[in-house]
Amino acid sequence: ETGVTQTPRHLVMGMTNKKSLKCEQHLGHNAMYWYKQSAKKPLELMFVYNFKEQTENNSVPSRFSPECPNSSHLFLHLHTLQPEDSALYLCASSQLVAGTRTDTQYFGPGTRLTVL
Amino acid sequence: GESVGLHLPTLSVQEGDNSIINCAYSNSASDYFIWYKQESGKGPQFIIDIRSNMDKRQGQRVTVLLNKTVKHLSLQIAATQPGDSAVYFCAENGNGRGAQKLVFGQGTRLTINP
Repeated sequence: ETGVTQTPRHLVMGMTNKKSLKCEQHLGHNAMYWYKQSAKKPLELMFVYNFKEQTENNSVPSRFSPECPNSSHLFLHLHTLQPEDSALYLCASSQLVAGTRTDTQYFGPGTRLTVL
Repeated sequence: GESVGLHLPTLSVQEGDNSIINCAYSNSASDYFIWYKQESGKGPQFIIDIRSNMDKRQGQRVTVLLNKTVKHLSLQIAATQPGDSAVYFCAENGNGRGAQKLVFGQGTRLTINP
């Protein structure tokens, strides 16, 4: 186990539903990330949070809404998704250290999302 | 633009043989590179990393080689075992500013034949 947990592991939702993905890291890290992993496509960075503040939004549609209430928890709120949003959503965390460029990201197991 | 790509999408090797997985990158500003392993049903798992001031780094049964001249990265796995079967991703830090905006390759699926 990497110390990053995600729930649920599997989610099926209709296009009109509202659901949330949850991520929790037990590593004491100060940065958290959401990634999207689609079949046959590279891992895509969606959002970055440093010290609970969003520092990166990689042109993600507004139907994905992240929330970071504290440095250990990260949510991804989903609403009015499209079938093409079906993918594996991965959460990661890392420890930012000033002056370094090598903070390793540790990933959770992901949530397999299917949008009908 | 930034891109990280893998030469081969699949690789099959005999158990006990050495495996070499290759990766090409295009951003000369990248100064940090990572290899991740992703097994079925799991998230990517960190294997080994290397900074641009090095050309080789060794871990347990793994070696990463970096050739900055041709922008090429490789992962060598010694004496491959069934547990090494997975998809392997290389990643670079693209703009050379920290490791938060990683750019991932498409991945190579490594299959170990008994």
